[in-house]
Amino acid sequence: SQQGEEDPQALSIQEGENATMNCSYKTSINNLQWYRQNSGRGLVHLILIRSNEREKHSGRLRVTLDTSKKSSSLLITASRAADTASYFCATDAKSGAGSYQLTFGKGTKLSVIP
Amino acid sequence: KAGVTQTPRYLIKTRGQQVTLSCSPISGHRSVSWYQQTPGQGLQFLFEYFSETQRNKGNFPGRFSGRQFSNSRSEMNVSTLELGDSALYLCASSLVGGAFYEQYFGPGTRLTVT
Repeated sequence: SQQGEEDPQALSIQEGENATMNCSYKTSINNLQWYRQNSGRGLVHLILIRSNEREKHSGRLRVTLDTSKKSSSLLITASRAADTASYFCATDAKSGAGSYQLTFGKGTKLSVIP
Repeated sequence: KAGVTQTPRYLIKTRGQQVTLSCSPISGHRSVSWYQQTPGQGLQFLFEYFSETQRNKGNFPGRFSGRQFSNSRSEMNVSTLELGDSALYLCASSLVGGAFYEQYFGPGTRLTVT
């Protein structure tokens, strides 16, 4: 089952513009992660933000987390054609056995037009 | 450091057969997780192994099984293949494991069941 849901499902922008993707989740979390996947390949970890953090930066990436609204956003500034990929948020979800597993949303497909 | 490797990269099997996929984690990583990715269901957690023990299991039938060796390499096996098992199978390694730290993904094995 999906814990996180990304919005929008697809996003198309011009090179140089900023791209914002949102993620909402249902239950309380310890951390939230963002991953990128180029077409049909493995995922690449982008950033991890813990529940006691509100904002985190990494290069052109900025992630915010609002635990009261159970939502996160990923901002990519000055986008490049190479940023074209699917972006997933992932949260730690407690399984029935009491352990935690990483649960992914369905992703936002970003297209950056040169 | 070499990344996560998965073999084979592509596989075509017939319904009813069984298949074994292999994953070699990043050196020093003791946790290996497996995920199934399909267009309809997205990324779904299969199981996680840590120090040769299954630590967590997703909601998949018993036809899906795995194991981890003393060198942290992991295999997953699917018996009695069904058409719906066609998917990209991803493995990910992590230093400590679980859902609280970033995971490093391999390129995946694309399984097609005919």
